[in-house]
Amino acid sequence: AQSVSQHNHHVILSEAASLELGCNYSYGGTVNLFWYVQYPGQHLQLLLKYFSGDPLVKGIKGFEAEFIKSKFSFNLRKPSVQWSDTAEYFCAVTPKGYSTLTFGKGTMLLVSP
Amino acid sequence: DVKVTQSSRYLVKRTGEKVFLECVQDMDHENMFWYRQDPGLGLRLIYFSYDVKMKEKGDIPEGYSVSREKKERFSLILESASTNQTSMYLCASSWKNTEAFFGQGTRLTVV
Repeated sequence: AQSVSQHNHHVILSEAASLELGCNYSYGGTVNLFWYVQYPGQHLQLLLKYFSGDPLVKGIKGFEAEFIKSKFSFNLRKPSVQWSDTAEYFCAVTPKGYSTLTFGKGTMLLVSP
Repeated sequence: DVKVTQSSRYLVKRTGEKVFLECVQDMDHENMFWYRQDPGLGLRLIYFSYDVKMKEKGDIPEGYSVSREKKERFSLILESASTNQTSMYLCASSWKNTEAFFGQGTRLTVV
Protein backbone atom coordinates (compact mmCIF):
# COMPACT_ATOMS: atom_id res chain seq x y z
CA ALA A 1 0.00 0.00 0.00
CA GLN A 2 1.11 3.51 -0.67
CA SER A 3 1.86 6.10 2.00
CA VAL A 4 2.54 9.83 2.08
CA SER A 5 4.85 11.71 4.39
CA GLN A 6 4.68 15.46 4.92
CA HIS A 7 7.81 16.79 6.53
CA ASN A 8 6.41 19.57 8.67
CA HIS A 9 3.29 19.56 10.81
CA HIS A 10 3.40 23.29 11.51
CA VAL A 11 5.05 26.11 9.60
CA ILE A 12 5.04 29.76 10.62
CA LEU A 13 6.10 32.42 8.12
CA SER A 14 5.93 36.15 7.76
CA GLU A 15 4.19 37.69 4.78
CA ALA A 16 6.38 37.81 1.65
CA ALA A 17 8.51 34.89 2.81
CA SER A 18 9.02 31.98 0.45
CA LEU A 19 7.32 28.69 1.13
CA GLU A 20 8.31 25.11 0.48
CA LEU A 21 6.34 22.22 1.93
CA GLY A 22 7.83 18.79 1.58
CA CYS A 23 5.95 15.69 0.48
CA ASN A 24 7.32 12.22 -0.13
CA TYR A 25 5.39 9.15 -1.07
CA SER A 26 6.15 5.48 -1.09
CA TYR A 27 4.87 3.46 -4.02
CA GLY A 28 6.80 1.51 -6.60
CA GLY A 29 4.66 2.27 -9.62
CA THR A 30 3.45 5.35 -11.43
CA VAL A 31 1.23 7.72 -9.54
CA ASN A 32 -1.00 10.74 -9.74
CA LEU A 33 -0.14 13.44 -7.20
CA PHE A 34 -2.18 16.21 -5.62
CA TRP A 35 -1.97 19.08 -3.21
CA TYR A 36 -5.16 20.13 -1.45
CA VAL A 37 -5.74 23.13 0.79
CA GLN A 38 -8.23 23.65 3.58
CA TYR A 39 -8.79 27.27 4.59
CA PRO A 40 -10.26 27.82 8.06
CA GLY A 41 -13.91 26.78 8.08
CA GLN A 42 -13.92 25.78 4.43
CA HIS A 43 -13.95 22.55 2.49
CA LEU A 44 -10.90 20.88 1.04
CA GLN A 45 -9.98 22.36 -2.35
CA LEU A 46 -7.61 21.21 -5.03
CA LEU A 47 -4.51 23.41 -5.35
CA LEU A 48 -2.80 21.51 -8.14
CA LYS A 49 -2.29 18.06 -9.57
CA TYR A 50 0.26 16.08 -11.52
CA PHE A 51 -0.73 13.26 -13.84
CA SER A 52 2.03 13.26 -16.46
CA GLY A 53 4.21 15.54 -18.59
CA ASP A 54 6.08 18.57 -17.29
CA PRO A 55 7.08 17.74 -13.71
CA LEU A 56 6.71 21.38 -12.71
CA VAL A 57 3.02 22.07 -12.31
CA LYS A 58 1.33 25.34 -11.58
CA GLY A 59 -1.81 25.65 -9.54
CA ILE A 60 -4.12 28.29 -8.24
CA LYS A 61 -3.10 31.33 -6.20
CA GLY A 62 0.52 31.28 -7.34
CA PHE A 63 1.37 27.83 -6.00
CA GLU A 64 3.52 25.37 -7.89
CA ALA A 65 4.89 21.90 -7.22
CA GLU A 66 7.71 19.85 -8.67
CA PHE A 67 7.55 16.11 -9.13
CA ILE A 68 10.96 14.48 -8.74
CA LYS A 69 10.47 10.84 -9.59
CA SER A 70 13.89 9.71 -8.37
CA LYS A 71 13.20 11.18 -4.96
CA PHE A 72 9.52 10.16 -4.78
CA SER A 73 8.82 13.76 -3.92
CA PHE A 74 6.20 16.36 -4.81
CA ASN A 75 7.10 19.53 -2.93
CA LEU A 76 4.82 22.55 -2.90
CA ARG A 77 6.27 26.03 -3.35
CA LYS A 78 5.20 29.64 -3.39
CA PRO A 79 7.69 32.50 -3.83
CA SER A 80 5.90 34.98 -1.58
CA VAL A 81 3.16 34.00 0.85
CA GLN A 82 0.27 36.16 1.96
CA TRP A 83 -1.71 36.23 5.16
CA SER A 84 -4.60 34.68 3.22
CA ASP A 85 -2.49 31.56 2.61
CA THR A 86 -2.97 30.59 6.24
CA ALA A 87 -4.49 27.11 5.93
CA GLU A 88 -3.81 23.42 6.24
CA TYR A 89 -2.14 21.79 3.24
CA PHE A 90 -2.44 18.13 2.34
CA CYS A 91 -0.41 16.11 -0.11
CA ALA A 92 -2.14 13.08 -1.65
CA VAL A 93 -1.23 10.25 -3.99
CA THR A 94 -3.07 7.62 -5.95
CA PRO A 95 -1.59 4.87 -8.12
CA LYS A 96 -2.36 5.30 -11.80
CA GLY A 97 -5.56 3.56 -12.68
CA TYR A 98 -6.98 3.88 -9.19
CA SER A 99 -9.23 6.50 -7.71
CA THR A 100 -8.72 6.37 -3.95
CA LEU A 101 -6.47 9.08 -2.57
CA THR A 102 -3.98 8.45 0.22
CA PHE A 103 -3.30 11.62 2.16
CA GLY A 104 -0.43 12.85 4.24
CA LYS A 105 -1.08 14.08 7.76
CA GLY A 106 -1.17 17.69 6.68
CA THR A 107 0.90 20.83 7.30
CA MET A 108 -0.65 23.76 9.10
CA LEU A 109 0.71 27.01 7.67
CA LEU A 110 0.35 30.21 9.65
CA VAL A 111 1.31 33.42 7.89
CA SER A 112 1.71 36.43 10.12
CA PRO A 113 0.99 39.87 8.66
CA ASP B 1 -19.03 23.91 -10.33
CA VAL B 2 -19.08 20.50 -8.76
CA LYS B 3 -21.15 20.42 -5.64
CA VAL B 4 -20.84 17.81 -2.93
CA THR B 5 -23.37 18.40 -0.21
CA GLN B 6 -23.37 16.80 3.20
CA SER B 7 -26.66 16.86 5.01
CA SER B 8 -25.40 18.22 8.34
CA ARG B 9 -22.51 20.47 9.37
CA TYR B 10 -22.75 19.51 13.04
CA LEU B 11 -24.25 16.50 14.78
CA VAL B 12 -24.35 15.45 18.41
CA LYS B 13 -25.35 11.86 19.11
CA ARG B 14 -25.40 9.60 22.12
CA THR B 15 -23.27 6.50 22.56
CA GLY B 16 -25.01 3.49 21.07
CA GLU B 17 -27.20 5.45 18.66
CA LYS B 18 -27.37 4.53 14.99
CA VAL B 19 -26.13 7.50 12.98
CA PHE B 20 -26.64 8.28 9.30
CA LEU B 21 -24.45 10.75 7.43
CA GLU B 22 -25.74 11.65 3.99
CA CYS B 23 -23.88 12.95 0.98
CA VAL B 24 -25.13 14.02 -2.44
CA GLN B 25 -23.11 15.02 -5.51
CA ASP B 26 -24.44 16.70 -8.61
CA MET B 27 -21.82 15.82 -11.24
CA ASP B 28 -22.72 12.23 -12.13
CA HIS B 29 -19.42 11.01 -10.67
CA GLU B 30 -18.85 7.27 -10.58
CA ASN B 31 -16.80 7.35 -7.40
CA MET B 32 -17.81 8.48 -3.97
CA PHE B 33 -15.79 8.38 -0.77
CA TRP B 34 -16.07 8.80 2.97
CA TYR B 35 -13.01 10.04 4.83
CA ARG B 36 -12.45 10.79 8.46
CA GLN B 37 -10.29 13.79 9.40
CA ASP B 38 -8.60 13.97 12.80
CA PRO B 39 -5.96 16.48 13.96
CA GLY B 40 -2.47 15.18 13.33
CA LEU B 41 -3.74 12.14 11.43
CA GLY B 42 -4.81 13.74 8.17
CA LEU B 43 -7.59 12.13 6.17
CA ARG B 44 -8.18 8.42 6.40
CA LEU B 45 -10.41 6.52 4.00
CA ILE B 46 -13.34 4.70 5.59
CA TYR B 47 -15.18 3.36 2.51
CA PHE B 48 -15.52 4.15 -1.14
CA SER B 49 -17.96 3.23 -3.85
CA TYR B 50 -17.23 3.01 -7.58
CA ASP B 51 -20.79 2.36 -8.70
CA VAL B 52 -24.32 2.00 -7.41
CA LYS B 53 -24.53 -0.78 -4.80
CA MET B 54 -20.76 -1.34 -5.05
CA LYS B 55 -18.46 -0.61 -2.13
CA GLU B 56 -14.93 -1.24 -1.00
CA LYS B 57 -13.43 -0.99 2.46
CA GLY B 58 -10.86 1.68 3.04
CA ASP B 59 -8.21 1.86 5.73
CA ILE B 60 -10.50 2.18 8.77
CA PRO B 61 -13.88 0.53 8.04
CA GLU B 62 -14.45 -0.94 11.49
CA GLY B 63 -17.62 0.34 13.10
CA TYR B 64 -18.95 1.80 9.85
CA SER B 65 -21.04 0.69 6.92
CA VAL B 66 -22.17 2.45 3.75
CA SER B 67 -25.03 2.47 1.31
CA ARG B 68 -25.23 3.62 -2.28
CA GLU B 69 -28.64 3.01 -3.74
CA LYS B 70 -28.49 5.90 -6.23
CA LYS B 71 -25.51 7.20 -8.13
CA GLU B 72 -25.65 10.67 -6.62
CA ARG B 73 -26.06 9.63 -2.98
CA PHE B 74 -23.65 7.91 -0.60
CA SER B 75 -24.52 7.30 3.03
CA LEU B 76 -22.22 6.50 5.93
CA ILE B 77 -23.75 4.56 8.79
CA LEU B 78 -22.44 4.22 12.30
CA GLU B 79 -24.28 1.15 13.55
CA SER B 80 -23.66 1.93 17.22
CA ALA B 81 -21.90 5.21 17.77
CA SER B 82 -18.99 5.31 20.17
CA THR B 83 -17.02 8.22 21.61
CA ASN B 84 -13.95 7.29 19.56
CA GLN B 85 -15.99 8.04 16.44
CA THR B 86 -16.15 11.71 17.39
CA SER B 87 -14.52 13.30 14.36
CA MET B 88 -14.91 15.34 11.18
CA TYR B 89 -16.36 13.27 8.36
CA LEU B 90 -15.69 14.28 4.77
CA CYS B 91 -17.53 13.03 1.72
CA ALA B 92 -15.96 13.29 -1.72
CA SER B 93 -16.72 12.30 -5.29
CA SER B 94 -14.76 11.94 -8.50
CA TRP B 95 -14.76 10.65 -12.03
CA LYS B 96 -12.56 7.64 -12.60
CA ASN B 97 -8.85 8.32 -12.02
CA THR B 98 -9.21 12.07 -11.47
CA GLU B 99 -9.16 14.45 -8.55
CA ALA B 100 -11.77 14.26 -5.82
CA PHE B 101 -14.16 17.05 -4.87
CA PHE B 102 -15.03 17.39 -1.22
CA GLY B 103 -18.06 18.43 0.76
CA GLN B 104 -18.01 20.84 3.69
CA GLY B 105 -17.74 18.07 6.25
CA THR B 106 -19.87 16.91 9.15
CA ARG B 107 -18.48 17.40 12.61
CA LEU B 108 -19.87 14.54 14.67
CA THR B 109 -19.68 14.51 18.44
CA VAL B 110 -20.64 11.33 20.27
CA VAL B 111 -21.40 11.85 23.95
